Amino acid sequence: DAKTTQPPSMDCAEGRAANLPCNHSTISGNEYVYWYRQIHSQGPQYIIHGLKNNETNEMASLIITEDRKSSTLILPHATLRDTAVYYCIVRPDILTGGGNKLTFGTGTQLKVEL
Amino acid sequence: DAGITQSPRHKVTETGTPVTLRCHQTENHRYMYWYRQDPGHGLRLIHYSYGVKDTDKGEVSDGYSVSRSKTEDFLLTLESATSSQTSVYFCAIRNKYGEQYFGPGTRLTVT
Repeated sequence: DAKTTQPPSMDCAEGRAANLPCNHSTISGNEYVYWYRQIHSQGPQYIIHGLKNNETNEMASLIITEDRKSSTLILPHATLRDTAVYYCIVRPDILTGGGNKLTFGTGTQLKVEL
Repeated sequence: DAGITQSPRHKVTETGTPVTLRCHQTENHRYMYWYRQDPGHGLRLIHYSYGVKDTDKGEVSDGYSVSRSKTEDFLLTLESATSSQTSVYFCAIRNKYGEQYFGPGTRLTVT
């Protein structure tokens, strides 16, 4: 699986957009980008995933660059409850037989402040 | 919460004793996983299952065994607990879209 690089920490003011970057320069053509977050002491929570098109759901938006070497998770209006560690994970398409595990790195600690 | 429960939620046990952690799902998903989480290591896969009686090892499987006799239950057993197995254990299921959903975790302390 491709390796990902994320900043160790970021701060964001409540109500503002939080933009979390992820570098995955060695990503392969059949690998998806997944984002999870983990609020202190809880299990990781799925946020969103994508292959090459931008994606949006009720939680966030995922912007993947055209060359697919990096992506940005956007929380449009961050709240205090969004304070968590955010993980960017690259994983093969499950239909190709891959994806039996998620490889979590150290992620980005997002702190949302008043 | 994707219908995943773990039991017990907290356990303290002594070195050398057997311990079994249970993961229960109500969603009828085929794939289930056990991870452990330790400071400085993130989450690491212990074992996973791709169906009843079908299991395989993850990256940190030594000292652990698993069983899956029913779709809804995935058991993780520490045959003889050691202090290095003190950790938080998370169970997860995977849906047909490849999204994994995690349980609330079990905090295990081996003294």
